Amino acid sequence: SAVISQKPSRDICQRGTSLTIQCQVDSQVTMMFWYRQQPGQSLTLIATANQGSEATYESGFVIDKFPISRPNLTFSTLTVSNMSPEDSSIYLCSATSGVTDTQYFGPGTRLTVL
Amino acid sequence: AQSVTQLDSHVSVSEGTPVLLRCNYSSSYSPSLFWYVQHPNKGLQLLLKYTSAATLVKGINGFEAEFKKSETSFHLTKPSAHMSDAAEYFCVVSYFYNQGGKLIFGQGTELSVKP
Repeated sequence: SAVISQKPSRDICQRGTSLTIQCQVDSQVTMMFWYRQQPGQSLTLIATANQGSEATYESGFVIDKFPISRPNLTFSTLTVSNMSPEDSSIYLCSATSGVTDTQYFGPGTRLTVL
Repeated sequence: AQSVTQLDSHVSVSEGTPVLLRCNYSSSYSPSLFWYVQHPNKGLQLLLKYTSAATLVKGINGFEAEFKKSETSFHLTKPSAHMSDAAEYFCVVSYFYNQGGKLIFGQGTELSVKP
């Protein structure tokens, strides 16, 4: 299984600013994903991070708000842009390796927007 | 369409008693099914996965789940609860998407374990 780390682990940000979250995997992986977990809620997929091309966003999520990069097979970033208090959530990165749908998750980034 | 329903938002058991967390799924074809656990302020950990090899799936920490196609269920059980089992549990269904698989999460079941 892949070991996934995220930075930062938590942050408190001001309204209107942006935060970039980093996701690092300890081995090359096939797919990387970004999820949001709002307070007391389940996980919702934001987008699939595609290596070398634009991310694939789920309904309700747009690139201008959540730009994503994936420059190689082990690293991805998610930016939360022009933040509002409604963006306060845990953001989780996950990855799959090989031809499998088993996803392994990072520890998450807890974001609070004031 | 794929969907998953966890029938209980909160389950409370006493230490040493059995645990049952219920999950029903909807799928237009044979799904992959997972249970993940999330301890407070921690990421998600994979407990077990069903992939049609066997209907009874054994996972980590003494948990197991049984796939029942006729009932479209995938309930999670453990014979004897431990205090460390207190956490949020998610039932998850997958459909194959390109080389990986998108996951659809249930709403979660919070498990409390009383001494």
